[in-house]
Amino acid sequence: EPEVTQTPSHQVTQMGQEVILRCVPISNHLYFYWYRQILGQKVEFLVSFYNNEISEKSEIFDDQFSVERPDGSNFTLKIRSTKLEDSAMYFCASIADRSLAHNEQFFGPGTRLTVL
Amino acid sequence: GNSVTQMEGPVTLSEEAFLTINCTYTATGYPSLFWYVQYPGEGLQLLLKATKADDKGSNKGFEATYRKETTSFHLEKGSVQVSDSAVYFCALSDPLTGANSKLTFGKGITLSVRP
Repeated sequence: EPEVTQTPSHQVTQMGQEVILRCVPISNHLYFYWYRQILGQKVEFLVSFYNNEISEKSEIFDDQFSVERPDGSNFTLKIRSTKLEDSAMYFCASIADRSLAHNEQFFGPGTRLTVL
Repeated sequence: GNSVTQMEGPVTLSEEAFLTINCTYTATGYPSLFWYVQYPGEGLQLLLKATKADDKGSNKGFEATYRKETTSFHLEKGSVQVSDSAVYFCALSDPLTGANSKLTFGKGITLSVRP
């Protein structure tokens, strides 16, 4: 069964460093999402992406964040200068066709980011 | 704005016990409601969903009914198994942009089932 994959599973970085989290969505999916979950808190929407541009972003997704689909398979989330409060589990999700009613979002296993 | 509230956890049950996990929501329109489950080391998987009031979603013995009057979507299972041990997330879709837009999640609750 096709699945969303994410790498790495765990990333440890120093405050102020840049990190890139990688996701490979399901191959025929068109819409992509990033969510994050700070330990003990809710899963929060960060950004959605379609047709090589951001569709929607939350207030969390400030200028330190960017997303890219550099090729036909990868979908990346970059944090330019990490802060301690960026420590969280980051989930990637994809969806086949947004025009179909109530389509299921397929999630990856997450990347745990630890900022020291 | 939209929000989802789940009961506090964790929850520990013995095998074959009855399970209820409470979920209530706040939304301005008529959202679709979802339960996602995360097994250890895996991503979030859709467990069940309901798209309008009084709909009942069901899967793998789990059920949840969309109750508009109480703005609730409680998850139930009559007899849990050890394999049901996981984290359970209640979520809704943004009613302004439809079910295929971003999801608003609750905190999630960890369920542990003892043999």
